[in-house]
Amino acid sequence: AQSVTQLDSHVSVSEGTPVLLRCNYSSSYSPSLFWYVQHPNKGLQLLLKYTSAATLVKGINGFEAEFKKSETSFHLTKPSAHMSDAAEYFCVVSDRVRNAGNMLTFGGGTRLMVKP
Amino acid sequence: DTAVSQTPKYLVTQMGNDKSIKCEQNLGHDTMYWYKQDSKKFLKIMFSYNNKELIINETVPNRFSPKSPDKAHLNLHINSLELGDSAVYFCASSPTGEQEYFGPGTRLLVL
Repeated sequence: AQSVTQLDSHVSVSEGTPVLLRCNYSSSYSPSLFWYVQHPNKGLQLLLKYTSAATLVKGINGFEAEFKKSETSFHLTKPSAHMSDAAEYFCVVSDRVRNAGNMLTFGGGTRLMVKP
Repeated sequence: DTAVSQTPKYLVTQMGNDKSIKCEQNLGHDTMYWYKQDSKKFLKIMFSYNNKELIINETVPNRFSPKSPDKAHLNLHINSLELGDSAVYFCASSPTGEQEYFGPGTRLLVL
């Protein structure tokens, strides 16, 4: 069985300072990992994904994440926060199901707040 | 626009009613999904269909019945709505084994 733990339910940073959102996962297989962002009253948008290629993954809006197998982590970072980054962020692990479709397991979410 | 679309966007209804939420994707994907997001923002998969065949059915009450008339549509019908069904329901689609594209969500409130 797979699971995802987002270690912080809320993170607050000042605009222009670095962002770190932590995620640990467990999976029986070599997983695919994703970060999704959800702005208030909006749907889910893919930020980036890891699918067993390069361990440092670059995403949209200046975000990146590093897959560390030894630590079973996939933390999300951004060098400099912008006010528009305030949103809920979900770390997601995916296993293939019967060679068709995915079985996505979502973390509990981290709410990022950005102070002016 | 190519996208995953859901209707309605908002649904307010009384306990005991039967309602449907529709989902359509014009991305040509083989697989479609329904997820439920509760008030604490926790997201959990409910169903997955691949080429109109049910492949994932998590422990969802049988009051929830997905229907896939064709590869581009996956509708969710809910019978005898209960207060605990209030949530945001997201539809998603993906090419086989690839990342999922999510719809905008349907906010269901059961009174």
